[in-house]
Formats: sequence, structure tokens, C-alpha cells
Amino acid sequence: GAGVSQSPSNKVTEKGKDVELRCDPISGHTALYWYRQSLGQGLEFLIYFQGNSAPDKSGLPSDRFSAERTGGSVSTLTIQRTQQEDSAVYLCASSLLGTETYLIYNEQFFGPGTRLTVL
Amino acid sequence: AQTVTQSQPEMSVQEAETVTLSCTYDTSESDYYLFWYKQPPSRQMILVIRQEAYKQQNATENRFSVNFQKAAKSFSLKISDSQLGDAAMYFCAYNSGGGADGLTFGKGTHLIIQP
Repeated sequence: GAGVSQSPSNKVTEKGKDVELRCDPISGHTALYWYRQSLGQGLEFLIYFQGNSAPDKSGLPSDRFSAERTGGSVSTLTIQRTQQEDSAVYLCASSLLGTETYLIYNEQFFGPGTRLTVL
Repeated sequence: AQTVTQSQPEMSVQEAETVTLSCTYDTSESDYYLFWYKQPPSRQMILVIRQEAYKQQNATENRFSVNFQKAAKSFSLKISDSQLGDAAMYFCAYNSGGGADGLTFGKGTHLIIQP
């Protein structure tokens, strides 16, 4: 597709249920990022993938959060046993290259996000 | 750790006037990138302008320009000839240039355009 797509656009779930959020990056983009946007915390960087590999998962808020990427393309962010504080907009972004290249920046292109509401 | 601070939760400007949004940041790096992103109600984050820290010249994109003061760690956005379509949340962001770091965002400024 022309841009980063995310599904679902909105998700309402009950406390304690598991949810899966999907991100389709721009074709050919090797780097993929997940962010969380909440009223209390603002915009937080969660995790980065270079290809299928996520070298640092320390940005994930708790062990209920996990993310994977398969085939160097689609990524899924899974939240287990959702809590009300997980309610937020989850944004995905992709860029052409994510590895550090001195003084060359690869723009991150964002998707429209998934609004998660935990009742 | 890097931090980005936007001290103006909300700004209002008359259509066709000029408005400046403020941003300060803290880093121990010498080379990095700074950005202004626009987020309309559609939630889509749109890159407005980018500044490389090694460049002394302030970045400009049409009606949008920045005032980058590296020593003061200040990075303000000036919007000239404000238009109704400029109404949105504006986020200042920092990146070290390493892909693994992601972007560090400020809390945002809600810009209102008065017709």
C-alpha cells in the first residue's frame, strides 16, 4: 500500500481480555516502530524492529505486552490480560532503514493508529 | 536519557497571523535530529519539518520555519500566514539518529486557529 496501515482502527475490550493490534508497514521498509499515546504519559516509544528482530524490548510497559514481526513485514502488538491503564492510541511507524548511518536520517512514516479502550 | 519539553499546552492565533511554538530539549549528544510533527484529529502524525543538529542553518518548509539554538537546546517552530488547516496538535521530537532509539516526543501544543 501507499502508507502504513493499522487495524483495527478502534478496539473496545473488557478488562482481562487479550488483544492483538496489527501494523502493515510501507512495502520495502525494514524498520518498524511501535509507540503508545495516552493522556497521562503522552507519546512513548515502545519497541523497534529491524527486519524480524527486536534487539531491545525494555520499552514495553510490562510483561503483558509482546510484539513480533514476521517476514520482515507485518507486525503484531499483543496485550494480554488488558487493564484500564492500557487504554491509549497505539501508533506504528516504519522507515526504510533503521540501522545507524551517521548523519543520514531515515524518516519514520506513521500509521493512523489503533484506539484501544479497556472497560 | 533525552527529554523534550513543550511548555505551551495550548496556543491560539488569528488566521493569517504568525505564531511560534516553543520546545526545549536535553541531551548529551552532539549529533542528533529534531522534528516538529503535526497530529490532526485523524491521529495521523505528519512530519512538518526536520533539523539536523550539525547544520547551523535553520530549516524552512514553505510557511514553516524553525529557530534552532543548539547551545540553548531550544527548537521553536514558527508558522507564518496561519491557515485554518494548521489547527492540530504539534509535537516536538528528538532522535539520536540511531534507528533503535525511536523518537522522544514532547507533550504537545494544541494550536487553535481563529477565523
